[in-house]
Amino acid sequence: GNSVTQMEGPVTLSEEAFLTINCTYTATGYPSLFWYVQYPGEGLQLLLKATKADDKGSNKGFEATYRKETTSFHLEKGSVQVSDSAVYFCALSPNSGYALNFGKGTSLLVTP
Amino acid sequence: DTGVSQNPRHKITKRGQNVTFRCDPISEHNRLYWYRQTLGQGPEFLTYFQNEAQLEKSRLLSDRFSAERPKGSFSTLEIQRTEQGDSAMYLCASSPRMTSRSSYNEQFFGPGTRLTVL
Repeated sequence: GNSVTQMEGPVTLSEEAFLTINCTYTATGYPSLFWYVQYPGEGLQLLLKATKADDKGSNKGFEATYRKETTSFHLEKGSVQVSDSAVYFCALSPNSGYALNFGKGTSLLVTP
Repeated sequence: DTGVSQNPRHKITKRGQNVTFRCDPISEHNRLYWYRQTLGQGPEFLTYFQNEAQLEKSRLLSDRFSAERPKGSFSTLEIQRTEQGDSAMYLCASSPRMTSRSSYNEQFFGPGTRLTVL
């Protein structure tokens, strides 16, 4: 079946530090891959996406590259801010289905 | 605001009672999804509608759960004879009709309904 595994948190970083949140997936075919973010007290928001191998999704300084050979979609940001504190979810959508499969989420806390 | 809306935002009920949640998707979206999220977990898929047709149901959706989307617009999720294990955040999402330019499945989420079963 389809599944997503992401690194467990919480992750605590100082402002301006480099961020990596690992995400690997298991899926048949060629899924689309997503990172969603959930800020405190708010709903899930799409952060970035990639629909095929070697695509790079980017938004708000965050990037992730769809690596089919390693079945990974790691989230990176060069310099985090306090406002990036949130829970980040990696997800996939199978090419033949419609439900999103989510990872468990990684909580990020950025301190001044 | 043209986002996905859900009502109520919070619901506290006693074990054994029935509850119903409503989701209003983005107006031009023909696909609607329900997910459940428990503390410390990612959302888990429950069911999916394309227009008024319920096309997919997860095994998580027991006989006590029923979802409808009668006119292909808003949707309701009803839980009968609630149990403490039903306590969770219930999320609704919608996505637009897939076209040749849109080969992925971007879903837009509502704020959720938090259910507490005492």
